Amino acid sequence: DIVMTQSPDSLAVSLGERATINCKSSQSVLYSALNKNYFAWYQQKPGQPPKLLIYWASTRESGVPDRFSGSGSGTDFTLTISSLQAEDVAVYFCQQYYNTPITFGQGTRLEIK
Amino acid sequence: EVQLVESGGGLVQPGRSLRLSCTASGFTFGDYSMSWVRQAPGKGLEWISFIRSKAYGGTAEYAASVKGRFRISRDDSNSIAYLHMNSLKTDDTAVYYCTRDASYGDFIIDYWGQGTLVTVSS
Repeated sequence: DIVMTQSPDSLAVSLGERATINCKSSQSVLYSALNKNYFAWYQQKPGQPPKLLIYWASTRESGVPDRFSGSGSGTDFTLTISSLQAEDVAVYFCQQYYNTPITFGQGTRLEIK
Repeated sequence: EVQLVESGGGLVQPGRSLRLSCTASGFTFGDYSMSWVRQAPGKGLEWISFIRSKAYGGTAEYAASVKGRFRISRDDSNSIAYLHMNSLKTDDTAVYYCTRDASYGDFIIDYWGQGTLVTVSS
């Protein structure tokens, strides 16, 4: 199974500042033939199901604010929130869909400093 | 508007069975692959099962933790996905989410239901 490890486990950032969350996979999730990383980011607010933010490592889902961006390739990925808003308080999960079993990171809790 | 509504959760004793249903609306159900993902209280996300659309064979896949005990199925005529759970264990206690896989990639989950809580306890 591909193990997804996020860092940090929790993060406190001031409003308007940049937030960065990292995720590392135990093996590459880059499918070279298509040059696509089988990797996504989700946001889960308290009491709600997760919401898709980013897929193919850097493609923003429709309706997601452009302050959210994804980067990385192979085994190392980053979610960046360029200017933190109060509504961004949530737990963020990374996911690989390169092969089954599909696996998620343990989650990163993002709070306001 | 896409909606996924789970039902069938509740309190069940270890070793017993339960069937979860996911009623979908707002999209052509038969065109999409569907998955179930669970989340134990205060924990992370665990993918447990997936079923392809009939156009891609309608085949299913399972996580090792549930393989042989759980079975996913679909009723495209009524837009319902099911998760049949047998030999339940206390470790199966979780909120179970029904999810839709995006048209642009299997296992990219673009819609989630609100979840149904399954509690396995004596």
